Amino acid sequence: RKEVEQDPGPFNVPEGATVAFNCTYSNSASQSFFWYRQDCRKEPKLLMSVYSSGNEDGRFTAQLNRASQYISLLIRDSKLSDSATYLCVVFTRGTGFQKLVFGTGTRLLVSP
Amino acid sequence: DGGITQSPKYLFRKEGQNVTLSCEQNLNHDAMYWYRQDPGQGLRLIYYSQIVNDFQKGDIAEGYSVSREKKESFPLTVTSAQKNPTAFYLCASSQDRGRDGYTFGSGTRLTVV
Repeated sequence: RKEVEQDPGPFNVPEGATVAFNCTYSNSASQSFFWYRQDCRKEPKLLMSVYSSGNEDGRFTAQLNRASQYISLLIRDSKLSDSATYLCVVFTRGTGFQKLVFGTGTRLLVSP
Repeated sequence: DGGITQSPKYLFRKEGQNVTLSCEQNLNHDAMYWYRQDPGQGLRLIYYSQIVNDFQKGDIAEGYSVSREKKESFPLTVTSAQKNPTAFYLCASSQDRGRDGYTFGSGTRLTVV
């Protein structure tokens, strides 16, 4: 089982739609959680951290359910510029050191 | 502005050659990392360094080597022993071992010709 699992998509949505991505992680001792955005042929960039209480940044809302080991990202009023791959990332303890573990990403395509 | 600089952006390697990818950061971060990304796949950790003069193998270190002689610099050498080196290479750095996330450089795209 992968440490971080995501639906690879692609999710094809029209502009203005609401879309949700889900992610599960296997290590219950994981400590920090993030969503990164990666545009085609570019580096990943931090979109937002995810907190147990849930957090919102404009059109983006992230939720964490520690009991179910589940993370979500909701994008409201999708824009063409939201088209990208969204990486679910977990800070966890590996063999000998703590590290970020990256999901393989969910691809979003927003169309006019 | 603080950040991570990777060079070159594109690199072409002939069969049997060693090539070195540069990574420099001015964020004063202690930890640095090298990842490899193949099309449609996630990031895989090659090497990491949590302090100067110390580095550890990641999940796919075979065919790669690194050095960490300065806090700011973490170059990656792709040796001829790496049989499938064509990929997108990303360098990252972090404070506090990554608890607050990593900052990435813009990447080097390596192609074997």
